[in-house]
Amino acid sequence: AQKITQTQPGMFVQEKEAVTLDCTYDTSDQSYGLFWYKQPSSGEMIFLIYQGSYDEQNATEGRYSLNFQKARKSANLVISASQLGDSAMYFCAMREGFYGNNRLAFGKGNQVVVIP
Amino acid sequence: KAGVTQTPRYLIKTRGQQVTLSCSPISGHRSVSWYQQTPGQGLQFLFEYFSETQRNKGNFPGRFSGRQFSNSRSEMNVSTLELGDSALYLCASSGLGQGYNEQFFGPGTRLTVL
Repeated sequence: AQKITQTQPGMFVQEKEAVTLDCTYDTSDQSYGLFWYKQPSSGEMIFLIYQGSYDEQNATEGRYSLNFQKARKSANLVISASQLGDSAMYFCAMREGFYGNNRLAFGKGNQVVVIP
Repeated sequence: KAGVTQTPRYLIKTRGQQVTLSCSPISGHRSVSWYQQTPGQGLQFLFEYFSETQRNKGNFPGRFSGRQFSNSRSEMNVSTLELGDSALYLCASSGLGQGYNEQFFGPGTRLTVL
């Protein structure tokens, strides 16, 4: 069964607008972590933001914020004030358990194209 | 701090050959994980090494193997290459403490099997 679901088709976003990327996950663990990565065409995976299952507040990192809705098993990424350099694939990932495990399960990704 | 480095960046091999890829984690990081990325299957976890021991393993055939050295550098080996092994191979390093919740990826090795 797929643990991370990202179903949005490719998105075109106007520069300076906000964009929300959807991610739902499936786990029976109480302890888990959720990650978002950006992958530009160069191929490198760039870490954006992390949310732990016990974190009460939504994570924020600069223009990135994570809208964490635990009951709905949802961890949407919000990018505010989009820039041309934000054009990339975005991946949601989950690590089940905290210690002794760095295995990430990734979703299929969301393609974002920022247009001027 | 220097980031995660992977060598080589590009590799072309033929079916039946074997290949070794290298990953140097961020200084102080003891965990190295390997992932395979293909257009069809997406990103799939291969294995994780921590302090020279394989700690987790994905669902890949035994042709895929790895190891980690005392300086935390890791290698992965693919024997008897198949066309389907063509992929971007990414490694990620992770530390403890404040850096634990982040896994930093290297630029990847793009393997083409002809």
